[in-house]
Amino acid sequence: QVHLAESGGGVVHPGRSLRLSCAASGFTFSSFGIHWFRQAPGKGLEWVAVIWYDGSKKYYTDSVKGRFTISRDNSKNTVYLQMNSLRVEDTAVYYCARDGRSGSNFPDNWFDPWGQGTLVTVSS
Amino acid sequence: DIQMTQSPSSLSASVGDRVTITCRTSQSISDYLNWYQQKPGKAPNLLIYSASTLQSGVPSRFSGSGSGTDFTLTISSLQPEDFATYYCQQTYSTPPWTFGQGTKVEI
Repeated sequence: QVHLAESGGGVVHPGRSLRLSCAASGFTFSSFGIHWFRQAPGKGLEWVAVIWYDGSKKYYTDSVKGRFTISRDNSKNTVYLQMNSLRVEDTAVYYCARDGRSGSNFPDNWFDPWGQGTLVTVSS
Repeated sequence: DIQMTQSPSSLSASVGDRVTITCRTSQSISDYLNWYQQKPGKAPNLLIYSASTLQSGVPSRFSGSGSGTDFTLTISSLQPEDFATYYCQQTYSTPPWTFGQGTKVEI
């Protein structure tokens, strides 16, 4: 059974750092790209970052470029999101999700499954 | 970035109703359009990919259509478990891969 589980969320002050983890199981981890999304309270979904199945490419949404870093450890079946210089507007539930198709083949791709999410609150 | 506009933003419907949600994109995206369902406090769940392909395990009352800039998600006979928020999302462009603002389906 394909499963993703996020961890590492919590309450932090503005300007501080946090590292989220996304642990995967039930599939050949090294064959799939992994994404991070977020959803601010009462708002819609926002794509945040992706790492290619082999780690060769990483992309970020503009608002987190230079502050967030995505990485993966294929030996641990885990993807990380290092979040630095956190802002109040980064407050959200953060989800990780897998590419629907292996090999990071875009544009014909989708996001499935998703983890249950982890809440990040940035507040003074 | 490709802009995604869903309509309506919310709707009220009854069990058994036929429900249609529309998604319009700011430029042509061929059929690289996916639909997700999200219930309160839960993660999104993939319903439809590539505009019209039903994800495994999703009930057949859900269907998707469209290509280019105009897309539709249809629920043929609304069930109690379908009350949720629905999002369209494109993967046509280079990142960021954008979502519509969501359509909340209420009783």
